[in-house]
Amino acid sequence: DAKTTQPPSMDCAEGRAANLPCNHSTISGNEYVYWYRQIHSQGPQYIIHGLKNNETNEMASLIITEDRKSSTLILPHATLRDTAVYYCIVREYGNKLVFGAGTILRVKS
Amino acid sequence: SQTIHQWPATLVQPVGSPLSLECTVEGTSNPNLYWYRQAAGRGLQLLFYSVGIGQISSEVPQNLSASRPQDRQFILSSKKLLLSDSGFYLCAWSGDPPDEKLFFGSGTQLSVL
Repeated sequence: DAKTTQPPSMDCAEGRAANLPCNHSTISGNEYVYWYRQIHSQGPQYIIHGLKNNETNEMASLIITEDRKSSTLILPHATLRDTAVYYCIVREYGNKLVFGAGTILRVKS
Repeated sequence: SQTIHQWPATLVQPVGSPLSLECTVEGTSNPNLYWYRQAAGRGLQLLFYSVGIGQISSEVPQNLSASRPQDRQFILSSKKLLLSDSGFYLCAWSGDPPDEKLFFGSGTQLSVL
């Protein structure tokens, strides 16, 4: 079973920030939080990952709470092309990454 | 740079026929390799993963098998396909911890009729 909990769907207006929450209350000290997204009929695409500190790259920002039990992926200016399923993942024991159901983000004009 | 190749892109097979999907990675050595399956409208299910040649771990008991004959080659097989084997099959690779970013292939859409 996945170790994360995400809302099944969210809507966002085009041009506004999309804030996608993820709960990972059982995360261990050495586990990273990863975010991927999957556009229909394509392979998932890596977005960002982090351990303790907030992270930012050209695609998004990742905010991790101080207790590391939850995180938020922020797409600062959502576009229609950001409509996708967003997966929040923590690394399982060994070399496996297990995907949950994810959040369907719908960006609307 | 690293690239991952997966083929074929689409495949239509009759029930009871064999299956062989191939995945190769270029530009890296000793990658961790994965096979995932995604049923229509569902999430990704991890089927197999491999940390080295000949080392295969199965996550879900089924009529599928995987092999890793070479360092950067990962093959998904079946002797007799079932209707329930239909789905979108994805190959992926990653490095070792702590950097375990997954990089996915373009996928194979398998329809078993």
